Amino acid sequence: VMTQSPLALPVTPGESASMSCRSSHSLLYSTGKTYLSWYVQKPGLSPQLLIYMGFNRASGVPDRFSVRGSGTDFTLIISRVEPDDVGVYYCMQGLEFPLTFGGGTKVEI
Amino acid sequence: QVQLQESGPGLVKPFQTLSLTCSVSGVSITSTTNLYLAWIRRPPGKGLEWIGDINYRGTTHYNPSLRSRLTFTVDTSKSQVSLELNSVTAADTAFYYCATYDISSSGGYLEYWGHGTRVSVSS
Repeated sequence: VMTQSPLALPVTPGESASMSCRSSHSLLYSTGKTYLSWYVQKPGLSPQLLIYMGFNRASGVPDRFSVRGSGTDFTLIISRVEPDDVGVYYCMQGLEFPLTFGGGTKVEI
Repeated sequence: QVQLQESGPGLVKPFQTLSLTCSVSGVSITSTTNLYLAWIRRPPGKGLEWIGDINYRGTTHYNPSLRSRLTFTVDTSKSQVSLELNSVTAADTAFYYCATYDISSSGGYLEYWGHGTRVSVSS
């Protein structure tokens, strides 16, 4: 089970924002890889990959986006929030089937 | 450039079967058995739900909550995968997306997504 908080996150452009994702089981595999990914669904668009393997930014994702944490508790941090960052952010565990998403955090200006 | 395109009827009657197709370009779906095409949906006002996936050999994984109503197929000649969901109800109303998923140890995430297709279940 993946649990995200808060449900909604009001942000101010230029400031930092953070959101939590918790897994009921550790997402750290014995190989040392973390099977957690993050996605953002901006208004009117399909979801897009933001972060993969725990901490790696997908192609084209600015370094304003970062992840901290390990095992079962993770935090997505957006530094210097921009208006274009609005959307719903989801975390997903890819360690085992069925793949499961958190409920999402809606980032709004 | 990897592109995925979902297609299907926008409206399905209750208790009928929903059929969707995902066409893939920019990557060979037969390049590796590790490459799966996954289906995900987002009901109105709710979050994302993983439905299941299939690779070119027909190996599948299903969401247990939907398994009894689901069928996935693959057509390698057309680079397409399809989903059939039978006995639909209003609860199946959602945007449906397909996405690529690498099952290898370097994967575990949904890398490329289609634009999605809206499905409404109504009489």
